[in-house]
Amino acid sequence: QSVLTQPPSLSGAPGQRVTISCTGSSSNIGAGYDVHWYQQLPGTAPKLLIYDNTKRPSGVPDRFSGSKFGTSASLAITGLQAGDEAHYYCQSYDSSLSGSLVFGGGTKLTVL
Amino acid sequence: EVQLVESGGGLVQRGGSLRLSCAASGFAFSGYAMNWVRQAPGKGLEWVSYISSSSSTILYADSVKGRFTISRDNAKYSMYLEMNYLSDEDTAVYYCAREPNGLDYWGQGTLVTVSS
Repeated sequence: QSVLTQPPSLSGAPGQRVTISCTGSSSNIGAGYDVHWYQQLPGTAPKLLIYDNTKRPSGVPDRFSGSKFGTSASLAITGLQAGDEAHYYCQSYDSSLSGSLVFGGGTKLTVL
Repeated sequence: EVQLVESGGGLVQRGGSLRLSCAASGFAFSGYAMNWVRQAPGKGLEWVSYISSSSSTILYADSVKGRFTISRDNAKYSMYLEMNYLSDEDTAVYYCAREPNGLDYWGQGTLVTVSS
């Protein structure tokens, strides 16, 4: 099982707001490690969506936002669009694994 | 333009070996840490290995420790993953990814299929 826990699936109607949670522990997110989020469209490589908990790389719409609190993090998507249908993964690091990189299990977002 | 191109994947027998390469271009390769991440068919992302910019720090996932070896040649703008004693569980698309803050650039991936 993944070190970081995400809901396996989520759905929303166009225009709605959805939030994807990423729950960790005191050895990863709770230890102060940054959380990053990736979007993977079908058949493509993952793309960095949010880095350092809240920052958006150039070109990522401000409909996407990240937050972090305690041992958890969240990715919020507002104004949901059909093109947002994808898998989303959170990523952090874990001190019990020598600071190695860890991923969440991924969330499949369906736009109804 | 930043580009990462993986190569070396293919069909290999159980217990066999394979060497993956990641060719980088469009940025100062020697200034960045790099990672290998894999994705089994229909599954999520799994981190495999990390190498710092100078190769001074190397990390492996427990699932590959002792079997896989990561390396890089900054002069050739390349990173490698030597994979030995391959098992069915190693079947996956293998991505190389650059790491400044998060994994900001990924290659297109190379498929490794382990078969008996």
